Amino acid sequence: EIVLTQSPGTLSLSPGERATLSCRASQSVSSSYLAWYQQKPGQAPRLLIYGVSSRATGVPDRFSGSGSGTDFTLTISRLEPEDFAVYYCQQYGSSPPPFGGGTKVEIK
Amino acid sequence: EVQLLESGGGLVQPGGSLRLSCAASGFTFSRDAMSWVRQAPGKGLEWVSGISSGGSSTYYADSVKGRFTISRGNSMNTLFLQMNSLRAEDTAMYYCATSKQWLVTHWGQGTLVTVSS
Repeated sequence: EIVLTQSPGTLSLSPGERATLSCRASQSVSSSYLAWYQQKPGQAPRLLIYGVSSRATGVPDRFSGSGSGTDFTLTISRLEPEDFAVYYCQQYGSSPPPFGGGTKVEIK
Repeated sequence: EVQLLESGGGLVQPGGSLRLSCAASGFTFSRDAMSWVRQAPGKGLEWVSGISSGGSSTYYADSVKGRFTISRGNSMNTLFLQMNSLRAEDTAMYYCATSKQWLVTHWGQGTLVTVSS
């Protein structure tokens, strides 16, 4: 069973800065089945990125995903006020599909 | 627009049972796999269970295997989660979700389950 480790746990940045979030898998993720979700306080999560680098419908192009094998990255090129939230990665190619522990992006 | 409306959560004693429901609309329910994902208070996301579009295949996290049963009524556009032998660690917000190869494409707003005496 794959385990996903996200780092850092918390990222303190200012609006306009670049955010780089990491997701590391305990074994290779098959067929690029790696996704990222955003969750704001009191809300359900929202799909951002799937297939490592494909943006979901309506997701701004300041969000981008990259990586392969066991190392994956979510980059937010310039943080907007609405981007401060918790981000989770997920491997979805097999059951059970694990989530990472999350990275909180907070306002510095 | 995809809409998923969960119901059935509440306070239950340890060892008790609860049945969650999820009413789906805005898409062809019978064509999509579905999942339940939970989130304990202040914690991260945990995939709990999934079911194929036709209902013939079901999948469970080890933490709930043998205690939870997922099912669906395609004629009613409804997903269910029967939860038995509930434990304090099952306390969480439970989200109903559409799934493609266990990718969660749409989420409901969740229903809160609290297991406490």
